[in-house]
Amino acid sequence: DAGVTQSPTHLIKTRGQHVTLRCSPISGHKSVSWYQQVLGQGPQFIFQYYEKEERGRGNFPDRFSARQFPNYSSELNVNALLLGDSALYLCASSTDSYSNQPQHFGDGTRLSIL
Amino acid sequence: GESVGLHLPTLSVQEGDNSIINCAYSNSASDYFIWYKQESGKGPQFIIDIRSNMDKRQGQRVTVLLNKTVKHLSLQIAATQPGDSAVYFCAEIYTGRRALTFGSGTRLQVQP
Repeated sequence: DAGVTQSPTHLIKTRGQHVTLRCSPISGHKSVSWYQQVLGQGPQFIFQYYEKEERGRGNFPDRFSARQFPNYSSELNVNALLLGDSALYLCASSTDSYSNQPQHFGDGTRLSIL
Repeated sequence: GESVGLHLPTLSVQEGDNSIINCAYSNSASDYFIWYKQESGKGPQFIIDIRSNMDKRQGQRVTVLLNKTVKHLSLQIAATQPGDSAVYFCAEIYTGRRALTFGSGTRLQVQP
């Protein structure tokens, strides 16, 4: 069975540009969450979407936005990129939005800002 | 691939030994806990979970222990293998919250 898939795997951008990252959840999973992982740290929560609605938001600026599509796939958008946005962006899916279900992660998109 | 955690605490064990990785969590309201394994260049991989109404849960070669009194979680890996080398994160969440909160991670190095 296919796991969570993310694209692209690597991306290089310059300051001020915008970026769109994509995620396809595990088949049957309706909830998608986005996390940012800076080198040497654990992932930090950005968003959760369930049934196309935002259900949770972490402490990230408005430059970060996301959406979920009817097929439950999701996009993360980041505008006006800063050097500090360089990180591994992880997508996780779960069966529903309840807190007591395991979230399964993709291998992420490595974003480098020059 | 790029290393996940360059300055994480490291546990070094011999192949075949048992490993114990510890985690202190911060929120006494947390009622669900997960251990993840992250290899270099990969995303976190689900290992095992435990709910707060349990003290112990066993999987294949892994056991998670939960001590709610001192807010402590541990992951025991039996007969550690070279393929177990990775960074291990504990994560916590409480009912009603949408986000997992991750610990700082421990690097496990298995010596052949």
